[in-house]
Amino acid sequence: KAGVTQTPRYLIKTRGQQVTLSCSPISGHRSVSWYQQTPGQGLQFLFEYFSETQRNKGNFPGRFSGRQFSNSRSEMNVSTLELGDSALYLCASSLFGTPAETQYFGPGTRLLVL
Amino acid sequence: DAKTTQPNSMESNEEEPVHLPCNHSTISGTDYIHWYRQLPSQGPEYVIHGLTSNVNNRMASLAIAEDRKSSTLILHRATLRDAAVYYCILRGITQGGSEKLVFGKGTKLTVNP
Repeated sequence: KAGVTQTPRYLIKTRGQQVTLSCSPISGHRSVSWYQQTPGQGLQFLFEYFSETQRNKGNFPGRFSGRQFSNSRSEMNVSTLELGDSALYLCASSLFGTPAETQYFGPGTRLLVL
Repeated sequence: DAKTTQPNSMESNEEEPVHLPCNHSTISGTDYIHWYRQLPSQGPEYVIHGLTSNVNNRMASLAIAEDRKSSTLILHRATLRDAAVYYCILRGITQGGSEKLVFGKGTKLTVNP
């Protein structure tokens, strides 16, 4: 079974631009969660999608948004990029997104904002 | 903000046991304790998780305190491949029905040959 894939793996953008990151979950998994990881703040939860609906949301500004498609693939978008958005963006999938389940992480997209 | 508390770093010798502690005093009765590890330039990898009872799998053991306010990840015989950052994470559901996620900063484990 293929693991979670994320594209692109690396991205360089400038302040003010927007960016879209993609995540393909493990086949059959319906829950996709997104995380931001920085050296200073560590892992922070962005949002979770289940069956095309945003079910949970972390404490991030509205510039961070996402969506999920009917095949469970998910995208996240960051508009009006700021220097502080430079981070590793991780997505993780699981069958139903319950607390008892294992989450499977992708390798991440490393975003650098100049 | 609620968080899990872990030592910043720990060191071990190859083939010796390693005990990685985590404090989670804000845990509620239905929160699961998850452990993940992350190697450089990779996404986190699942290690083990539990609710109340101690758990064992092929990778590690998880010992959960009776009051559930702390837990310990046990690697029985550390190998060089176990060198990673280990994260202790609480996952649950709030009273409002939203997901509860509590992270720590992780413990960087160094394994000496």
